Amino acid sequence: DVKVTQSSRYLVKRTGEKVFLECVQDMDHENMFWYRQDPGLGLRLIYFSYDVKMKEKGDIPEGYSVSREKKERFSLILESASTNQTSMYLCASTHSGEYQPQHFGDGTRLSIL
Amino acid sequence: KNEVEQSPQNLTAQEGEFITINCSYSVGISALHWLQQHPGGGIVSLFMLSSGKKKHGRLIATINIQEKHSSLHITASHPRDSAVYICAVPVGTSGSRLTFGEGTQLTVNP
Repeated sequence: DVKVTQSSRYLVKRTGEKVFLECVQDMDHENMFWYRQDPGLGLRLIYFSYDVKMKEKGDIPEGYSVSREKKERFSLILESASTNQTSMYLCASTHSGEYQPQHFGDGTRLSIL
Repeated sequence: KNEVEQSPQNLTAQEGEFITINCSYSVGISALHWLQQHPGGGIVSLFMLSSGKKKHGRLIATINIQEKHSSLHITASHPRDSAVYICAVPVGTSGSRLTFGEGTQLTVNP
């Protein structure tokens, strides 16, 4: 079974802090994604990566950056956390190409106080 | 306007009822995804389909490419089917990036 592991289920941080969310997958997937999920808005793509050291902006990249130094790990960074970044964050991975299911982590519920 | 529209947003059913969730999309696609999210957050992929119908246990997904419409049916619903059901379609050239509907919250009461 594919395993996508997010480092924390719940996280509480303060405004202005630099926050790191980590995601690791064990199936040698080329593509990895970071989403945030908010009530009434559904899943929205923040950033994705299709290879090591490669990244592309999604629909809502402002206030975030990412890092992919190794194929199995994709990190989401909140450079200076703000209260409007309180949300559920989900990581996913998939092989390249069409007709590939996305495999999701369990999510990190992040609260910024 | 979202490229993917789901209806209804919320659905409450009694155990044993037949359930239908609808998804309409505005872009041309090669495949459509149905996903399930249980309380607590984890999301699993239920179906990917590009034509016709797929069945897995009590779940059936259909798609009409010409009408840009898909349905997810649950037969003999059970309380454990209570979850958010999400429809998604590929965007861009790679086929890997998805855009998602807002989801349908299904509650099945015993």
